[in-house]
Amino acid sequence: KAGVTQTPRYLIKTRGQQVTLSCSPISGHRSVSWYQQTPGQGLQFLFEYFSETQRNKGNFPGRFSGRQFSNSRSEMNVSTLELGDSALYLCASSPQASWAKNIQYFGAGTRLSVL
Amino acid sequence: QKEVEQNSGPLSVPEGAIASLNCTYSDRGSQSFFWYRQYSGKSPELIMFIYSNGDKEDGRFTAQLNKASQYVSLLIRDSQPSDSATYLCAVSKGNQAGTALIFGKGTTLSVSS
Repeated sequence: KAGVTQTPRYLIKTRGQQVTLSCSPISGHRSVSWYQQTPGQGLQFLFEYFSETQRNKGNFPGRFSGRQFSNSRSEMNVSTLELGDSALYLCASSPQASWAKNIQYFGAGTRLSVL
Repeated sequence: QKEVEQNSGPLSVPEGAIASLNCTYSDRGSQSFFWYRQYSGKSPELIMFIYSNGDKEDGRFTAQLNKASQYVSLLIRDSQPSDSATYLCAVSKGNQAGTALIFGKGTTLSVSS
């Protein structure tokens, strides 16, 4: 079974631009979550999607948004990029057999550099 | 108080020794606990999860959970140089309306041969 696939793997953008990252979950997984990882803050939760609906959102500004499609694939968008947005963005999928047993599997990530 | 806390390390152990990694969490309602391993430049890889008080063993790895003390640990027996990585403790937070994993900052483990 293929794992979580994230594209692109690397991105270089300049301040003020916007970026879209893509994530294809493991086949059969309906929940997709996004995380930002930086050396200073560690891994931080951005948002969770399930059946095309955002179910949970972390403490990030509105410049960060996402969506999920009917095939469970998800995209994340960051508008008006800032230098501090440089990070590894990770997507994780979960079978969501039970909300209390939220086993998440991560993709390889997209490394975003903002210049 | 941070929601999930880990000693950043580095934790250095010789090859063949037992490595003990610890994690505390603040939310008493937390129900699921996870250990991820992350090699430098790679993404987190799930190695253990535990839901109930007590020990859970999988090969050389043992996860221990004590909900009364709000404490989770990971023991790695017969440590190998390939175990050198950052170990992330994560706690599942949420309900039927939505969930999220809350991560500690990670403990760096170095196993010397």
